[in-house]
Amino acid sequence: DAGVIQSPRHEVTEMGQEVTLRCKPISGHNSLFWYRQTMMRGLELLIYFNNNVPIDDSGMPEDRFSAKMPNASFSTLKIQPSEPRDSAVYFCASRQGQQNSPLHFGNGTRLTVT
Amino acid sequence: DQQVKQNSPSLSVQEGRISILNCDYTNSMFDYFLWYKKYPAEGPTFLISISSIKDKNEDGRFTVFLNKSAKHLSLHIVPSQPGDSAVYFCAASARGGTSYGKLTFGQGTILTVHP
Repeated sequence: DAGVIQSPRHEVTEMGQEVTLRCKPISGHNSLFWYRQTMMRGLELLIYFNNNVPIDDSGMPEDRFSAKMPNASFSTLKIQPSEPRDSAVYFCASRQGQQNSPLHFGNGTRLTVT
Repeated sequence: DQQVKQNSPSLSVQEGRISILNCDYTNSMFDYFLWYKKYPAEGPTFLISISSIKDKNEDGRFTVFLNKSAKHLSLHIVPSQPGDSAVYFCAASARGGTSYGKLTFGQGTILTVHP
């Protein structure tokens, strides 16, 4: 079991550029979550998918953020245009269906926008 | 609107002593609670959970206590070990409705266990 795989591990970009973060969930998991970690707010849920369908995107900060899950094995989180305040660690997590099943997290993407 | 709060940003304890991490929540619909542990440069990993029908759950050195009337839970680690040094996140979820399956996290508490 390779776990949840995120790429890239680190991303440094200039303000105004487009950023795409990628996630491969654990095979067989049918729920996928994108979280953002900051010092002030801890882990914030941005969006989550169930069976590739977005269920709750109320945590997506602005229209600059978008997420897709074209199939069960891949998801992207895109920021366009990026801003310095988007700098954070972005985590992807997956789980097999039930509420009481723990999430399995990837190792995150550290994004720095200068 | 921070529905899950960890008011202590950090905690320092001596090896062998008890570590107590606290968490408060405001949403009365939450019925399942979890603790995650996070090392630097890694993602959070699941540690222990508790359902709202219980007030205690124990797994080895880790025990989680739930006080529903106070909307408070705590994680006890006994005895604490240097390898327990990490960031600990409290999380909660609610059954049903549009929030089903959604896991809300606190800000985290940095635990340092000194040898």
